[in-house]
Amino acid sequence: DADVTQTPRNRITKTGKRIMLECSQTKGHDRMYWYRQDPGLGLRLIYYSFDVKDINKGEISDGYSVSRQAQAKFSLSLESAIPNQTALYFCAIAQLAGGPDTQYFGPGTRLTVL
Amino acid sequence: EDQVTQSPEALRLQEGESSSLNCSYTVSGLRGLFWYRQDPGKGPEFLFTLYSAGEEKEKERLKATLTKKESFLHITAPKPEDSATYLCAVPQGGGNKLTFGGGTRVLVKP
Repeated sequence: DADVTQTPRNRITKTGKRIMLECSQTKGHDRMYWYRQDPGLGLRLIYYSFDVKDINKGEISDGYSVSRQAQAKFSLSLESAIPNQTALYFCAIAQLAGGPDTQYFGPGTRLTVL
Repeated sequence: EDQVTQSPEALRLQEGESSSLNCSYTVSGLRGLFWYRQDPGKGPEFLFTLYSAGEEKEKERLKATLTKKESFLHITAPKPEDSATYLCAVPQGGGNKLTFGGGTRVLVKP
């Protein structure tokens, strides 16, 4: 079984709809991250969480919110989707270590906002 | 602000034609550099972490090296299955946020 799973894998929605993307992990890692990837812009950090009670904004958090329901689950919500949120979304996990943490990525969710 | 730049943006190779990808960075106090491989429509797959200038790591046909200002990913005698986008990233801030480069798309033709 994959260490990081994301659901749904593909989603098409309309402008103004509320969307939730879910991420779950089986590794027991403390740290979880949400990124979006756009052609030509690379991977950009949306939100990250170091434990259930610790949520932090990344570089592009506007229009998004997150919830860390448990150590293993980290959800990303788009309260009112807009077309420029069309992108690939990736969840990543990492374990606290003495140096920089290696992040391991999920398979991604392709989101299209019409 | 930390910046990571990868070159070239795209690379077309014949099978067996060795080449190198570049990742240059401006980071105050580098604490590591990561290389990932990404196949189309999939999540990045971790390849290497380099921690200090002069360090080298190898995996099959890939070899990553690190200097004080840049990292190279050398692909020796590539095969078509090495076709992918290769991403480099550096940790910033509190140490666990990654800043990614734009990636190099590698296509290896048989």
